[in-house]
Order: sequence, then structure tokens, then C-alpha cells
Amino acid sequence: DAKTTQPPSMDCAEGRAANLPCNHSTISGNEYVYWYRQIHSQGPQYIIHGLKNNETNEMASLIITEDRKSSTLILPHATLRDTAVYYCIVRVGGYNKLIFGAGTRLAVHP
Amino acid sequence: DADVTQTPRNRITKTGKRIMLECSQTKGHDRMYWYRQDPGLGLRLIYYSFDVKDINKGEISDGYSVSRQAQAKFSLSLESAIPNQTALYFCATSDPGQGDGYTFGSGTRLTVV
Repeated sequence: DAKTTQPPSMDCAEGRAANLPCNHSTISGNEYVYWYRQIHSQGPQYIIHGLKNNETNEMASLIITEDRKSSTLILPHATLRDTAVYYCIVRVGGYNKLIFGAGTRLAVHP
Repeated sequence: DADVTQTPRNRITKTGKRIMLECSQTKGHDRMYWYRQDPGLGLRLIYYSFDVKDINKGEISDGYSVSRQAQAKFSLSLESAIPNQTALYFCATSDPGQGDGYTFGSGTRLTVV
């Protein structure tokens, strides 16, 4: 599976959009981009995933660049409860294990 | 009830003791996983099982063993616990037919003294 690079930490004001970047320059054509988050010491929570098209669900939007070498997770209106560690993971969907990196620690402040 | 239930939630045990962590799921998924997390770090895969007859080692399987008793149950054992196995342990399930989003349990905090 391709390696990902994320900033170790980010801040965001409550009510503003949080844009979390992820670089995955060695991604293969059949690899998906997955995003999970972990709030405090709870079990990680699935957020969204995509292959090449932008995706949106009730939690977030995922923007993948045309060359697929990077992506951005967007939380449109961040709340204090979005404070968490966010993991960007690249893998062949459905066939490979989920391997976690260090993630980005997002702090949402009032 | 939670989709993925781990027991116990917290456990303190002594060095050299055998301990079992249990995981059960109601999602009906074939795939189950055990991860451990050390403070400030991401999760690392210990063992995984793609069906009842399939068991595979992950990144850090030394000192651990697993048993897949049924589709819904996947147990992790520490045969002889040591202090550096003190960590937060998570069980998870996934279904490739549903986008393969993983569902994690709430975790077991294990302390080996």
C-alpha cells in the first residue's frame, strides 16, 4: 500500500471549514483513499473514502486531485466535537488490511 | 447494543499471566482484526481473520495468539503478559461489499504490572 504524509497537527475555529491535506504521491491506480478519525481514546471511526472522483457524505467531503497524488478532507462546519486525530490511509479497497500512520491532530477551538 | 463489543474494558494483570481479550460483533461481517495502540501513536495490526478458517499475522504478532471461534467472535490472547504489552487494544470488523469501512470496538485498556 502507498505511503501517506499528513501534517502532525492543525487548528480550526469552530464554525469554519477544516481542510485536512494528505499527500500520497506513490498511489497506484487501484488504490482508494480512506479517511478515519479517532476521538480521544475511542475506536477509530470511518469517515469517507474515494478512488478518483470527489465524494461527499453527511460527515465530510473528500477532494482528490486529478493526478490522485494528494487529497483533502473537508469538514464544512467544524464543531468542538470534531477535535480528533484524522488518519488518511491508502489501500486497495476490500482486499488489504487497514494500516494506520500517525495522522493529523485537529484541534477545533471556540 | 454496540456493533462491536470488547470485553473487558479495562484490565490490570501481572507479568507472566495469561490473559484473553474478547471481541464479538453483530454486523455479520466475515473479516475481523485486532490492533494495539500505544500512547501518542497510530494503531498497529496484530492479527486478522478474513473468515472463520483464516487467521493471519499482522505487523506485531509476536507474544500474541488469536482464536476465531465463530463468525461473530475473535479473541486475542497474551500467553505470558509482559509490561511492554501495556496498551489500548481495539477489535474491528469490515465487509468489502459495503465499501470496506471498518467498524471498531470501544477498546480494552490493558496494563501489565
